[in-house]
Amino acid sequence: AQTVTQSQPEMSVQEAETVTLSCTYDTSENNYYLFWYKQPPSRQMILVIRQEAYKQQNATENRFSVNFQKAAKSFSLKISDSQLGDTAMYFCAFMNDNAGNMLTFGGGTRLMVKP
Amino acid sequence: DAGVTQSPTHLIKTRGQHVTLRCSPISGHKSVSWYQQVLGQGPQFIFQYYEKEERGRGNFPDRFSARQFPNYSSELNVNALLLGDSALYLCASSVQGGETQYFGPGTRLLVL
Repeated sequence: AQTVTQSQPEMSVQEAETVTLSCTYDTSENNYYLFWYKQPPSRQMILVIRQEAYKQQNATENRFSVNFQKAAKSFSLKISDSQLGDTAMYFCAFMNDNAGNMLTFGGGTRLMVKP
Repeated sequence: DAGVTQSPTHLIKTRGQHVTLRCSPISGHKSVSWYQQVLGQGPQFIFQYYEKEERGRGNFPDRFSARQFPNYSSELNVNALLLGDSALYLCASSVQGGETQYFGPGTRLLVL
């Protein structure tokens, strides 16, 4: 079974600064997908970014980028130029390529962006 | 385009009752997955359906069941409700299941 660990329960950052959220995972599979989802107080789960394990290039999406280290099984999220609207819970998630396509989520990191 | 929709938004039930939650996927998506999110935790996988067939099942008791209809909408049923079933129930849709899943706003269930 796959496991996803987010070691930072809470983080804070000043507006306009950069913050990095950590995620590690455990799997014996070679083909898989990794995701970061954002969950604001409304509790709507919103996709932030996605990474395919077979791609060496790190995914980027505007102010959001990842540092994917496959050998280390690490998948961190960097948020640049933090905005007040980035305040939310952030969940790292893993999906195997061939096992029911279920998402396995980490426990989440609560991010507070301060003005 | 409309996103994933879920109904109802909120629900209060008492122990032992039965509940049905509904989900409509994004147009063109044929796969629906259900997750349970207890307050303070990450979502836990319950079921995935694709083309009306169950493709995956998480570690939940038989009190939980689901189905998918020809129009790809889905229902999650929970029988004999327990206090511990109080949670946010999230539905996610994807084109075929093996790619990005997009979530609905969830149904908040409170069992008293």
